[in-house]
Amino acid sequence: DTAVSQTPKYLVTQMGNDKSIKCEQNLGHDTMYWYKQDSKKFLKIMFSYNNKELIINETVPNRFSPKSPDKAHLNLHINSLELGDSAVYFCASSRRQGNEQFFGPGTRLTVL
Amino acid sequence: RKEVEQDPGPFNVPEGATVAFNCTYSNSASQSFFWYRQDCRKEPKLLMSVYSSGNEDGRFTAQLNRASQYISLLIRDSKLSDSATYLCVVNTLTDYKLSFGAGTTVTVRA
Repeated sequence: DTAVSQTPKYLVTQMGNDKSIKCEQNLGHDTMYWYKQDSKKFLKIMFSYNNKELIINETVPNRFSPKSPDKAHLNLHINSLELGDSAVYFCASSRRQGNEQFFGPGTRLTVL
Repeated sequence: RKEVEQDPGPFNVPEGATVAFNCTYSNSASQSFFWYRQDCRKEPKLLMSVYSSGNEDGRFTAQLNRASQYISLLIRDSKLSDSATYLCVVNTLTDYKLSFGAGTTVTVRA
């Protein structure tokens, strides 16, 4: 009965490849997020969707494209991966915008 | 200036000790405040929300000082299992973004 799940948990790939990370929440929340946590452990918001609508789009390279097919899912597609994309990517959800957030277990991306 | 700043620590304390640390925020319009806990190689988990009047949850006490723009977390009777990184989180309701501090590391030793 995992609340927020992400796949895959680990992703190792070569520079230049395209990859996707999937996220699903079964909490019935309206809002979902993608965060990036780099090697310095700083957690930074990338995107947020509310009822499938993009509401936060931080300064992220346009190689990163989120997609929300329904409000329980928020996927992240990354084109032309670069070394600097190596990080842990966390998906999160909240009942509404501004409420406390619940995080998925993270996807550890390593670009070689 | 970062939106949320925390003393990175580490705070090394013996079991049973009390440890406290603060977090400052730059946006005076911030409306909601939280403490999250993150264990090594795990996701952040909500520890507690922080209310204007201060609040307590077992051994954990959170305080908010709007005038000086900081929140604090105090852990009483520390347990080994309290060892983690504590993230201060601030929400400005105008844009609904949660801003995370870089975290304060606490290590409780036997």
